[in-house]
Amino acid sequence: DAKTTQPTSMDCAEGRAANLPCNHSTISGNEYVYWYRQIHSQGPQYIIHGLKNNETNEMASLIITEDRKSSTLILPHATLRDTAVYYCIVRLWMDSSYKLIFGSGTRLLVRP
Amino acid sequence: GAVVSQHPSWVICKSGTSVKIECRSLDFQATTMFWYRQFPKQSLMLMATSNEGSKATYEQGVEKDKFLINHASLTLSTLTVTSAHPEDSSFYICSASRRDRVTYEQYFGPGTRLTVT
Repeated sequence: DAKTTQPTSMDCAEGRAANLPCNHSTISGNEYVYWYRQIHSQGPQYIIHGLKNNETNEMASLIITEDRKSSTLILPHATLRDTAVYYCIVRLWMDSSYKLIFGSGTRLLVRP
Repeated sequence: GAVVSQHPSWVICKSGTSVKIECRSLDFQATTMFWYRQFPKQSLMLMATSNEGSKATYEQGVEKDKFLINHASLTLSTLTVTSAHPEDSSFYICSASRRDRVTYEQYFGPGTRLTVT
């Protein structure tokens, strides 16, 4: 089972920041948090990942709380093309492999 | 870099026939490849994990005799849906972990839409 919970849907205005929350209260000390997004009928696209420090790349920023029980993905200036389902995933070590177990995700709608 | 391709992108087959889907890592060697299935309006469900040269590990509830996985090289994995039925119609997505990266992030293919008539 997925170790994360996310709101079912969110919306934001184009050009504004989109802040997507994620709870992962049972995360273990060495488990990474990954964010992917999926635009309709395409494969998921990697966005960012982190362990305990905040991370930033050209797509987004990831803010992880000090106790690591939750995180927030920030899209600083959302565009219409950012409309997608966003998945927050705790990567698990299972059966000798790292695995991504997808939860339900957050459907983000960016409004013009 | 880190491009994963799938072929075909969509396929229609008749009930009872078998269908093979290919997954290739185009510009990197993959330590591990994964197969997912996604039904309409649902999330991705992990079906199996495969490492090059070894047998795939299937998730609970996934029939290994129905979904045959072959991982013959570090850049190619195939999923064969045997004796397909309409309930196997779904979006099949593969992903690959890079061999040369410590953090093992997965890169996903574009998916294959299978329709069984």
